[in-house]
Amino acid sequence: AQKITQTQPGMFVQEKEAVTLDCTYDTSDQSYGLFWYKQPSSGEMIFLIYQGSYDEQNATEGRYSLNFQKARKSANLVISASQLGDSAMYFCAMSPIGFQKLVFGTGTRLLVSP
Amino acid sequence: GAVVSQHPSRVICKSGTSVKIECRSLDFQATTMFWYRQFPKQSLMLMATSNEGSKATYEQGVEKDKFLINHASLTLSTLTVTSAHPEDSSFYICSASMRGGAETDTQYFGPGTRLTVL
Repeated sequence: AQKITQTQPGMFVQEKEAVTLDCTYDTSDQSYGLFWYKQPSSGEMIFLIYQGSYDEQNATEGRYSLNFQKARKSANLVISASQLGDSAMYFCAMSPIGFQKLVFGTGTRLLVSP
Repeated sequence: GAVVSQHPSRVICKSGTSVKIECRSLDFQATTMFWYRQFPKQSLMLMATSNEGSKATYEQGVEKDKFLINHASLTLSTLTVTSAHPEDSSFYICSASMRGGAETDTQYFGPGTRLTVL
């Protein structure tokens, strides 16, 4: 069974600063994918970034990067140059490769202040 | 690309009625679609997985007869909440995945449907 742990229920950051959202996971699978999604107050889930367990380099997508430390089983999301529009809930999730079934963490609410 | 729509976005119904929610992948063919339920301030809970042309696979504790799922085509899946009761009030969100490569099975989510049963 897989498990995702997000220990930060809420995070605050000032505009233009960087912020790291923590995510640790537990799995017995050899191959798996790690995902981050953003959920604004409107409710939609927006895909941000993906990291495969076999990827040697950390994934990056614009201002988002994933700090993947396989030995520590962590997949932290780093948002650089925070913007007011980044205020939302952020969910970390994982699934075994090819299996597609996502397991979500409890989420972290990020608030970006001016 | 990878846009998923969901309709309706909000629905209010009387107890005992049935409600159908549609989930469409607009610009790709979805081999698999997923239905989630989300309670306020909680994470998403997977209800069922549906593959085109086959019966849905329900998660433990989810009533098959109450939450009917139909995946009639590669772009459309529907969730019908039958004989809805107030405890079924929730945010229902679907997702779709496409197998574009061997590794990534990214799920793309619809905007969700807020169901209120009076």
